[in-house]
Amino acid sequence: DTGVSQDPRHKITKRGQNVTFRCDPISEHNRLYWYRQTLGQGPEFLTYFQNEAQLEKSRLLSDRFSAERPKGSFSTLEIQRTEQGDSAMYLCASSLNGGLPGGEEQYFGPGTRLTVT
Amino acid sequence: AQSVTQLGSHVSVSEGALVLLRCNYSSSVPPYLFWYVQYPNQGLQLLLKYTSAATLVKGINGFEAEFKKSETSFHLTKPSAHMSDAAEYFCAVSEMNTGFQKLVFGTGTRLLVSP
Repeated sequence: DTGVSQDPRHKITKRGQNVTFRCDPISEHNRLYWYRQTLGQGPEFLTYFQNEAQLEKSRLLSDRFSAERPKGSFSTLEIQRTEQGDSAMYLCASSLNGGLPGGEEQYFGPGTRLTVT
Repeated sequence: AQSVTQLGSHVSVSEGALVLLRCNYSSSVPPYLFWYVQYPNQGLQLLLKYTSAATLVKGINGFEAEFKKSETSFHLTKPSAHMSDAAEYFCAVSEMNTGFQKLVFGTGTRLLVSP
């Protein structure tokens, strides 16, 4: 299967701890997105990479959050000093910029469910 | 700013009945519109998308949606529900004039299908 993969699928951590999630996009995709989905809500955009460059960050992405995409391949999302409000599903998506930017198709991974106790 | 409103957090239908999931959007510029489906503990899968080529869009699994600019709507329909259609459905909008696809999602509609 060559879809988007995310690791871990589930993470339980204590408040104040740091956590890191990994996303492996579809190999030829040059764009990568992170979204956050809380219970009963739709996904909310967090950040976007074009190759290795982080080009857009949401105001939801506080200074405790950092994302990287070294060499334009996999991406990591780190949350420092986790808070209970960070509990959510973190979704990664990738796409190929092949022309019309708005009409591209984002392929989503299965997500990482974070629970902060 | 763009936004999406999905009317009805839950929709219940019988197997074989018509499925209608409502989506209204708000956008100051021509939008791209999408419907995604999410099964439990899985990511989102694209059902269909509107990119201005045709107002009636056909997607996977027998779903289709019609873009109505005058009503700012993009409702999702399927003539005959199947048990396997039970899932969460999300409508999303993206602006055409941005350099990347920043999706803004609605709050979702859970489709329940009874035998």
